[in-house]
Amino acid sequence: KNEVEQSPQNLTAQEGEFITINCSYSVGISALHWLQQHPGGGIVSLFMLSSGKKKHGRLIATINIQEKHSSLHITASHPRDSAVYICAVRTGNQFYFGTGTSLTVIP
Amino acid sequence: EPEVTQTPSHQVTQMGQEVILRCVPISNHLYFYWYRQILGQKVEFLVSFYNNEISEKSEIFDDQFSVERPDGSNFTLKIRSTKLEDSAMYFCASRGDRGKGFFGQGTRLTVV
Repeated sequence: KNEVEQSPQNLTAQEGEFITINCSYSVGISALHWLQQHPGGGIVSLFMLSSGKKKHGRLIATINIQEKHSSLHITASHPRDSAVYICAVRTGNQFYFGTGTSLTVIP
Repeated sequence: EPEVTQTPSHQVTQMGQEVILRCVPISNHLYFYWYRQILGQKVEFLVSFYNNEISEKSEIFDDQFSVERPDGSNFTLKIRSTKLEDSAMYFCASRGDRGKGFFGQGTRLTVV
């Protein structure tokens, strides 16, 4: 059983669309991270959340601790947003990762 | 923005050889991590390190693996007697006391 579940696994969107990626987890967490992994493999940390909502440019991340759920939203999507988006939760000093959502934004 | 540096970017090694993967975490960070990602699979946690000792490790991190901070700046992952199935991308990350984690660009290890 995966401690972290993401949906959808794959997502194709037209440029300009609003995108939502969901993450559910089953463990108690200290924090939740949204990561972006580009085709070359490098990982970039987008957000760290322990409550509420954060916004950075066109990206918005929310978390509901009671429901053990987080969402990553991308407004006005662009082809350069194409990447794998990974949800990771930290419990104590250990991380659990979701399998990732592969996003392709078509011009 | 600060960054975590990993070297080498790609390492090819013969099966049975030892490899050392190197990471330079962000200088004022206290927590250090190694992860791996086998091609086509999800990222897996290997080990976390704090206050000069391992604080958590996964089932993957067996006696074949070890970590150390030899000089207070570098953070290394040693894999002894490499196997074909050790081929993966290995990522280092660090974080401060309350901050988000920063990942290195990864080392692609190929065992032949």
